[in-house]
Amino acid sequence: AQSVTQPDIHITVSEGASLELRCNYSYGATPYLFWYVQSPGQGLQLLLKYFSGDTLVQGIKGFEAEFKRSQSSFNLRKPSVHWSDAAEYFCAVGAREYGNKLVFGAGTILRVKS
Amino acid sequence: SAVISQKPSRDICQRGTSLTIQCQVDSQVTMMFWYRQQPGQSLTLIATANQGSEATYESGFVIDKFPISRPNLTFSTLTVSNMSPEDSSIYLCSVSWGWDTEAFFGQGTRLTVV
Repeated sequence: AQSVTQPDIHITVSEGASLELRCNYSYGATPYLFWYVQSPGQGLQLLLKYFSGDTLVQGIKGFEAEFKRSQSSFNLRKPSVHWSDAAEYFCAVGAREYGNKLVFGAGTILRVKS
Repeated sequence: SAVISQKPSRDICQRGTSLTIQCQVDSQVTMMFWYRQQPGQSLTLIATANQGSEATYESGFVIDKFPISRPNLTFSTLTVSNMSPEDSSIYLCSVSWGWDTEAFFGQGTRLTVV
């Protein structure tokens, strides 16, 4: 069965520090991979996506993620966190073989200390 | 991307009643999906809304409880029927333009059943 694991429920970082959010997946097809962000009371905003090609993808707001097939991972990174990055981050996996339906991880809540 | 409008944005409903949520997109889309986000939880796919035919439901979700319509390529509705407090969740509409494309989300409908 398809699954996505985000092992960190909460992460707290200081403003200006670097950030890495972990995502591992188990999927029976060639995956499409996504990171979404959800601010309180808001819908989901797409940060970045991977379909194929270069395994290091750049997204909005200075985020990037690297697809590592051997590790079944798609970790999200940002070199310097801003207070406005505090939100909940969801990793999601989809595939053409599964009708483009998304399976989401449990989410990681990011807190930023000033 | 597209502008995805969900109505209502929030509602408080009495148990035993039904609520219909609308999702309107400002351009034609190939795929439309409905997700549920229970309090403090991740997103779970309810069903794929198929244009002109019955929706395809995921395991654990049934048409009698969550009837879905999709009369055209820009509009869909989700009804939450015979509501109980356990149905209190955020319901999100999602759209994509086909294979190898990302999904975009509406702002969600926050439902509270009392």
